[in-house]
Amino acid sequence: QQPVQSPQAVILREGEDAVINCSSSKALYSVHWYRQKHGEAPVFLMILLKGGEQKGHEKISASFNEKKQQSSLYLTASQLSYSGTYFCGTVIYTGTASKLTFGTGTRLQVTL
Amino acid sequence: SQTIHQWPATLVQPVGSPLSLECTVEGTSNPNLYWYRQAAGRGLQLLFYSVGIGQISSEVPQNLSASRPQDRQFILSSKKLLLSDSGFYLCAWDRGNSPLHFGNGTRLTVT
Repeated sequence: QQPVQSPQAVILREGEDAVINCSSSKALYSVHWYRQKHGEAPVFLMILLKGGEQKGHEKISASFNEKKQQSSLYLTASQLSYSGTYFCGTVIYTGTASKLTFGTGTRLQVTL
Repeated sequence: SQTIHQWPATLVQPVGSPLSLECTVEGTSNPNLYWYRQAAGRGLQLLFYSVGIGQISSEVPQNLSASRPQDRQFILSSKKLLLSDSGFYLCAWDRGNSPLHFGNGTRLTVT
């Protein structure tokens, strides 16, 4: 079952902050975050492997609440280059393999 | 370093024609391989994944099939395309719980 992301879309002015949430109805093995520019393949941002783990890269960070089956992506002081669609990917272990299912997506537009 | 090749980049096919999209990975062995489809303005739908040669798991009943004849080769096929098969097809690989690496994608238009 597909994880649900919120909000579906957000418009920011350059320099503003945003939070994107990802919720799953199933227990999570790990959470990935990707960004996709229009017409291009998604690009990996980060992966969180443990409940409670937080990671950051420059002004983009994420947290993973394993008990709540949720993850959040934090974008601080947004830049024009942050525009795109953000997808979380939740990894579910099937017993024989792990598979990555992407969330519904959040479209982010950063303006001047 | 690892690379993933996917071709063709764009494809226009008439309804009822066959389809074959190919994906190959270099620089790694025993990768997990995936086919995703993305309809215009929509999310990424997992179609097939494979953990080894000849091992294919299908996620969605559909008009498509996948095969893995070699460790680093993944093929997406259809015998007769439907209009609803149009979309952006992405091949990807990973090694277990690691980042997913995508090919550049194939934009398929069925007319």
